[in-house]
Amino acid sequence: NAGVTQTPKFQVLKTGQSMTLQCAQDMNHEYMSWYRQDPGMGLRLIHYSVGAGITDQGEVPNGYNVSRSTTEDFPLRLLSAAPSQTSVYFCASSYSRGDSYGYTFGSGTRLTVV
Amino acid sequence: TQLLEQSPQFLSIQEGENLTVYCNSSSVFSSLQWYRQEPGEGPVLLVTVVTGGEVKKLKRLTFQFGDARKDSSLHITAAQPGDTGLYLCAGLTTDSWGKLQFGAGTQVVVTP
Repeated sequence: NAGVTQTPKFQVLKTGQSMTLQCAQDMNHEYMSWYRQDPGMGLRLIHYSVGAGITDQGEVPNGYNVSRSTTEDFPLRLLSAAPSQTSVYFCASSYSRGDSYGYTFGSGTRLTVV
Repeated sequence: TQLLEQSPQFLSIQEGENLTVYCNSSSVFSSLQWYRQEPGEGPVLLVTVVTGGEVKKLKRLTFQFGDARKDSSLHITAAQPGDTGLYLCAGLTTDSWGKLQFGAGTQVVVTP
C-alpha cells in the first residue's frame, strides 16, 4: 500500500518553463489537494478536488492548473514558472465519512525556479 | 492573512517540561485537526476534533476544541526530545467541505 506518491522529489526549472507535478493515491480517497509550504507560512492550499471531474481553487491558485480525470491521479501544472513559485509542494488525499476524514500526505516535491 | 492563527511560532523547552500550542480563528469550524511534521516529510495526522468542548488524549498529548468551535489547543505533558517537530492545526469551515486550511505552524524543540 503506497499511500500518496509524488514525483519528482526535486526539480529545478528556468523562469518561463512549464512542468507537471504528479500525484497518485491508491486508497480510493475522494478528496485530493495540493499545498505549497514556504518558511513561516505553514501550508497554503493551491487547488483541491472533492471527486473525479470536480476541482476548485484554494488560497493561492494563480499560476497553477489542475484536473482530476480519475480518482487516483491529481496532477498540478505550472504554466510558466516564476521564482515566486520556488517552494515545497505537497499533495494530500482523504476519505470522507460524515464528519470523519483523514488526510494522508505525500513526501513532497522541492521545486526551485531560477 | 491566514484563517487559522497559531501561537507561539516557536517554542524551545527542556525535556520534562510542559507546553501548550494555540490555534485561533474568527471562523467557526466543523472540525479541526492537528498534524506533526518532521523535516523533509509531509505532515502526519495526530487527531481530529469535531464537537465543541471536546477533549482528546493521545498518550502525553491533550487536544481541546473550543466550545464555540473557533479555537483549539494542544498540550504536551512532560515533553521528550521525540516530540520535536512542526505542529500544524488545520480545519474545515462549515461551508467549505474538502477545503482543509492550515495555520502557519508552531516549531517545537525539546532538548535533553
